[in-house]
Amino acid sequence: DGGITQSPKYLFRKEGQNVTLSCEQNLNHDAMYWYRQDPGQGLRLIYYSQIVNDFQKGDIAEGYSVSREKKESFPLTVTSAQKNPTAFYLCAAGGIYTQYFGPGTRLTVL
Amino acid sequence: KNEVEQSPQNLTAQEGEFITINCSYSVGISALHWLQQHPGGGIVSLFMLSSGKKKHGRLIATINIQEKHSSLHITASHPRDSAVYICAARTRNYGGSQGNLIFGKGTKLSVKP
Repeated sequence: DGGITQSPKYLFRKEGQNVTLSCEQNLNHDAMYWYRQDPGQGLRLIYYSQIVNDFQKGDIAEGYSVSREKKESFPLTVTSAQKNPTAFYLCAAGGIYTQYFGPGTRLTVL
Repeated sequence: KNEVEQSPQNLTAQEGEFITINCSYSVGISALHWLQQHPGGGIVSLFMLSSGKKKHGRLIATINIQEKHSSLHITASHPRDSAVYICAARTRNYGGSQGNLIFGKGTKLSVKP
C-alpha cells in the first residue's frame, strides 16, 4: 500500500515538552515537506528536504527541528521553544508536478 | 495582503448545482495547484495547471496567466464533493531550485442533498 504515513493521528503533550511527529513515505520521492495548518489560515511551510542529509527552513521554522537520515523518513520535532504548537501538522512528499500528503497529526499542547 | 486569495471562503450549494471557486495570486508562478481536503484532514491533489484548462470527471480547472486568476468548477455537484478546496501557487523557479507552494486559505464547500 503506497503513500505517506503519519503517526500518531492525535497527540497530546504538556507545555514545555518536546514532541516528535513521525512521517514515512514509500513513494521514493527525494523531496519531503512539513506544513502547519491553523484554523482560517493556509498551510504554512515549516521545513523541507530535497535530499537525504539536507534540509532547509521554511517560512515558520522557529521552534521546530527536523532530520533526514533516510529517504523514507522525515521526522519533525516540536520543541518547547515553539510558542504556539497546537495545530494540525501535515507531511508531504513529491516533486514539482505534485505533492502527496499524509493524513496529518493533530497536536494539542495542554 | 495574502499572495494567494480564494473566494468565496464558504459556499453552500444544493445537489446538482454548478459550482465555481476562484483563486487570485499576486506572485510570479510556475504552476497553480488545486487540492481537496476532507473533514478528516487528509489532502488530495486534484490538478496542476500552468496554462489553459484541465478536466477530470466532473471537475474542471482553468487558469488565466495574464490575469493571475484560476477557477475550479464542479458540475452536477454531489454531497460527496463537500470538502475544503485549496489553491496553491508554486513560485517561479529561479536558478534551478524548486519553488515552494504558497497556499490560499481554502474554500469550504457544503453540498446539500
